[in-house]
Amino acid sequence: GQQLNQSPQSMFIQEGEDVSMNCTSSSIFNTWLWYKQEPGEGPVLLIALYKAGELTSNGRLTAQFGITRKDSFLNISASIPSDVGIYFCAGHLDGSRLTFGEGTQLTVNP
Amino acid sequence: DAMVIQNPRYQVTQFGKPVTLSCSQTLNHNVMYWYQQKSSQAPKLLFHYYDKDFNNEADTPDNFQSRRPNTSFCFLDIRSPGLGDAAMYLCATSRALPGTGGDIQYFGAGTRLSVL
Repeated sequence: GQQLNQSPQSMFIQEGEDVSMNCTSSSIFNTWLWYKQEPGEGPVLLIALYKAGELTSNGRLTAQFGITRKDSFLNISASIPSDVGIYFCAGHLDGSRLTFGEGTQLTVNP
Repeated sequence: DAMVIQNPRYQVTQFGKPVTLSCSQTLNHNVMYWYQQKSSQAPKLLFHYYDKDFNNEADTPDNFQSRRPNTSFCFLDIRSPGLGDAAMYLCATSRALPGTGGDIQYFGAGTRLSVL
C-alpha cells in the first residue's frame, strides 16, 4: 500500500531559525498537502501542491512538489513560538484515500 | 467562522455505553469523512460518505457506524466503546472525491473521546 515517510519526527529549534521537513513516498502522488495541527485541534491546511516541480509559498512557509512526484518538502523561515505544532504531509493518487505522513513535532524555544 | 463544526469537543462515556459524535458543515461539500487519531499518530480514515453513498474502510471495526441524514450533517456512532476507542475523532469534508479536483479536505476541530 501507499506509505509516506516523514522526517524528522521532531525538531527543537530557537525562535528565528529556519526549519525544513520532508516527505517521501514509495508511490507517485498527484497531490501533496501540508497540514498543521495544534494540540487539541484539527489539522489546518497550509499549502496544497498539484504539479511536479511546483513551488508555493504561504507567508513564511514554502513547499515544493518534487520532480519525481515521490517527495515534497516544507520550509518555515524565521520561526516564531506560534509555529509550534505537528506538521503532517499528506497526498493521494487519483481516486485513492488521503495518505498521511507520521508528522513532524515542532518545538520553538523563545 | 468555523466551516466544519464538531460537537461536542470533549465526550466522556462509559465502557460499553453507546455514544454519538456530531459533525456539521457549511461548505455544502459532497464528501464527509470520519477519522480516528490516537496520540502522536496520523489520522486514520474510518469511512466516508459521497453524498448518500457510504464507503467503509476494510479495517474499520463493526463497532463504528455512521449516518448522514442530509448534506450538512454526519454522525459517528460507537455502539459499544472500549478502552481502545479513546481517541480524537476528526470530521473532514471535501467538495469532491480524492483525485477528481476540488478534493482538498477541510477538518473540524475534533472531538476528544474518553472511555471510563
